[in-house]
Amino acid sequence: EPEVTQTPSHQVTQMGQEVILRCVPISNHLYFYWYRQILGQKVEFLVSFYNNEISEKSEIFDDQFSVERPDGSNFTLKIRSTKLEDSAMYFCASSASSADEQYFGPGTRLTVT
Amino acid sequence: GESVGLHLPTLSVQEGDNSIINCAYSNSASDYFIWYKQESGKGPQFIIDIRSNMDKRQGQRVTVLLNKTVKHLSLQIAATQPGDSAVYFCAEPLPQGSGYALNFGKGTSLLVTP
Repeated sequence: EPEVTQTPSHQVTQMGQEVILRCVPISNHLYFYWYRQILGQKVEFLVSFYNNEISEKSEIFDDQFSVERPDGSNFTLKIRSTKLEDSAMYFCASSASSADEQYFGPGTRLTVT
Repeated sequence: GESVGLHLPTLSVQEGDNSIINCAYSNSASDYFIWYKQESGKGPQFIIDIRSNMDKRQGQRVTVLLNKTVKHLSLQIAATQPGDSAVYFCAEPLPQGSGYALNFGKGTSLLVTP
């Protein structure tokens, strides 16, 4: 069964550093998403991406965040200057259409020290 | 503010019993709801969804009930198994443009004991 993959599984970085989280969505999917989950809290929407542009973003997704689909398979989330409060699990998801089920990857645990 | 939320943070059931996980929502215009299961160390996994033109939808061992009058939905798991132990989230689409961004509730942790 096709699945969303994410790398790395765990990233440790120092405050102020840039990080790039990588995702490979399911190959025939057209909609891509990033969510985050702070430990013990609910999953929060960050951004959705379709047709090479952001279609929706939350208040969390400020100027420190950016997304990119650099080629036909990868979908990345960049945090320019990490803060302690960026520590969380980051989940990538993809769907075939806006109304279809979203498939989530296993997540990247980001720890900012 | 948060639209979806869960009544109980934890639920413990015995193997073989039925489980019921509840969720309340506040936006009466919400027309689509999804239940996700999240096992430890994994991403959310779609279980079942329901649209507001339905009151009930059944899947394999799972049933979702939607009560629009009181803005409540529930997930029923029949004959709960140890593999059902996970955190369960209800979710609904955020008011959105072209993408179905999801608003998740806080989650209920289901623990199945032998």
